[in-house]
Amino acid sequence: DIQMTQSPSSVSASVGDRVTITCRASQVISKWLAWYQQKPGTAPKLLIYEMSTLQSGVPSRFSGSGSGTDFTLTISSLQPEDFATYYCQQADSFPYTFGQGTKLEIK
Amino acid sequence: EVHLVESGGGLVQSGGSLRLSCAASGFNFGAYWMAWVRQAPGKGLEWVANIKEDGSEREYVDPVKGRFTISRDNAKNSLYLQMNSLRADDTAVYHCASLWARSGDHWGQGTLVTVSS
Repeated sequence: DIQMTQSPSSVSASVGDRVTITCRASQVISKWLAWYQQKPGTAPKLLIYEMSTLQSGVPSRFSGSGSGTDFTLTISSLQPEDFATYYCQQADSFPYTFGQGTKLEIK
Repeated sequence: EVHLVESGGGLVQSGGSLRLSCAASGFNFGAYWMAWVRQAPGKGLEWVANIKEDGSEREYVDPVKGRFTISRDNAKNSLYLQMNSLRADDTAVYHCASLWARSGDHWGQGTLVTVSS
């Protein structure tokens, strides 16, 4: 199985900050990388798929990039509603696997 | 508007069975791969199973192989997960999701399965 390692596991930031979350795959996964946001008690919400394609309705402050085994989610200017847990997910081969999550907290 | 609503969760003893259902509306259900993803209390996400649009292909994560069966009824816009030989580590909220580009683009709120030992 492909292992996904996210870093950091948690981060504190302020409204307006730029935040980057990293996800590393245990092997090359081409473009098949997605990012989700999850708030407590709710289902995950797809932000980005195919590494860099923004899901419809997601604000443009979210962006994804990377290649091979290393990928990043960037939030260019944090808004109050962005404080949540973020997960990466590889879909290169089954079983699809998630990173362990990054909790984004208010500083 | 897309809606996915899970049902069928509950408390079951170790070794027991449950059948989860997911009712879909607001999109062409029969044109999408579907999946079940679970989340143990306070833990991260785990992909459980996928099923192709016509049900001809199914994939399972190793811990559930031979115990869980994913199925669908496109005439009823419904997805199912038959879970047998349940174990304590199957305790989780189970979400159904429609897949786009191998990613879960719409999710239900989930149904809680609790397996008591």
